[in-house]
Amino acid sequence: DAGVIQSPRHEVTEMGQEVTLRCKPISGHDYLFWYRQTMMRGLELLIYFNNNVPIDDSGMPEDRFSAKMPNASFSTLKIQPSEPRDSAVYFCASSLSNRSGLKLFFGSGTQLSVL
Amino acid sequence: QQQVKQSPQSLIVQKGGISIINCAYENTAFDYFPWYQQFPGKGPALLIAIRPDVSEKKEGRFTISFNKSAKQFSLHIMDSQPGDSATYFCAALINTGTASKLTFGTGTRLQVTL
Repeated sequence: DAGVIQSPRHEVTEMGQEVTLRCKPISGHDYLFWYRQTMMRGLELLIYFNNNVPIDDSGMPEDRFSAKMPNASFSTLKIQPSEPRDSAVYFCASSLSNRSGLKLFFGSGTQLSVL
Repeated sequence: QQQVKQSPQSLIVQKGGISIINCAYENTAFDYFPWYQQFPGKGPALLIAIRPDVSEKKEGRFTISFNKSAKQFSLHIMDSQPGDSATYFCAALINTGTASKLTFGTGTRLQVTL
């Protein structure tokens, strides 16, 4: 398996533009998570899905952020309009639920820079 | 609200030494405590994990010590090597029955010197 695949790896955009980050989870995994990583705040959970259904989006910073999971093999995180303070590394992770815990497999992340 | 507090923020250890990273939590509903390791330019990867009914878990040079009464757990890296230089995150999981939520600490940047 190729693991969790995120695209693009790097995104540079101007303030006010729409940004779409993409994620392909590991086949068969039923959980998908979007995290944001910054030096100041560490790893923040933005939203997660279970069986394609959003379960908890309380970490989404504001209405400018939205996430979708139209099917089990694809998810998007959209920022519209983007702002400089959105600059961060955005990680997607997937997991298979089991009784012994939750093992997250992370993608390599998208480095977002909003100028 | 930070539910998992991690310290120190950064750590420098000589090769062969012991690296110790500590975490504390408040919510007694957490029932699974993993540690993740992250190298530059990569996503975090699961290193080792423990459940609260166990006081210690060892995998190779990595050991988790868990103190349920104090609501603290720590990662010990024995015989630290330069290849262990990375950022380490503790985490805690809540299972609500219908969903699972993993909360991370703020991370510790470990540097192992020669």
